[in-house]
Amino acid sequence: ETGVTQSPTHLIKTRGQQVTLRCSSQSGHNTVSWYQQALGQGPQFIFQYYREEENGRGNFPPRFSGLQFPNYSSELNVNALELDDSALYLCASRPGLAGKDGSSEQYFGPGTRLTVT
Amino acid sequence: AQRVTQPEKLLSVFKGAPVELKCNYSYSGSPELFWYVQYSRQRLQLLLRHISRESIKGFTADLNKGETSFHLKKPFAQEEDSAMYYCALITDSWGKLQFGAGTQVVVTP
Repeated sequence: ETGVTQSPTHLIKTRGQQVTLRCSSQSGHNTVSWYQQALGQGPQFIFQYYREEENGRGNFPPRFSGLQFPNYSSELNVNALELDDSALYLCASRPGLAGKDGSSEQYFGPGTRLTVT
Repeated sequence: AQRVTQPEKLLSVFKGAPVELKCNYSYSGSPELFWYVQYSRQRLQLLLRHISRESIKGFTADLNKGETSFHLKKPFAQEEDSAMYYCALITDSWGKLQFGAGTQVVVTP
């Protein structure tokens, strides 16, 4: 069974640029969530995709957007990067939605470290 | 608004001593509560959840709805318990996790 993978491992961008982060969910998992973890903080929920549709969003501006593909992999896009976007971005997957056809346990990837200069 | 509070940023204990990590939450309904752990150079992973009422690696956590707490305890800490611990809760049907800021545990021999 392959776990959650993320790419790239780390990258450096300049303020104002755009970035795309990628996530492959664990085999059999159709729900993918994205979290932002700033230094010294717990992960903060950005949004979630279930069967290719966004079905939950945290307190993040519209310049944070995403996609989920038919194979359940996902992308996180951030436009007009700001210095405060520097963080570890975590992807997590699970089979189905909590309390419905799946488990509430989420399986996390290793993260992508984004630095905005 | 829901919130998770972990008041200790760092807990330093000696091997064999008891350890307790505090977690308080604010939510008027019935949440689903978890403890996640991140060992050095490893990814975030689930340690235990309150609905399972199980002991994992010697850790237990009891939900106290009256005090809105979900403290994590282990009677005898081991060096391999050194890690970052996050308390988290789910309050909606989407399964969105809300994390506390985390507590770093250091177990010294």
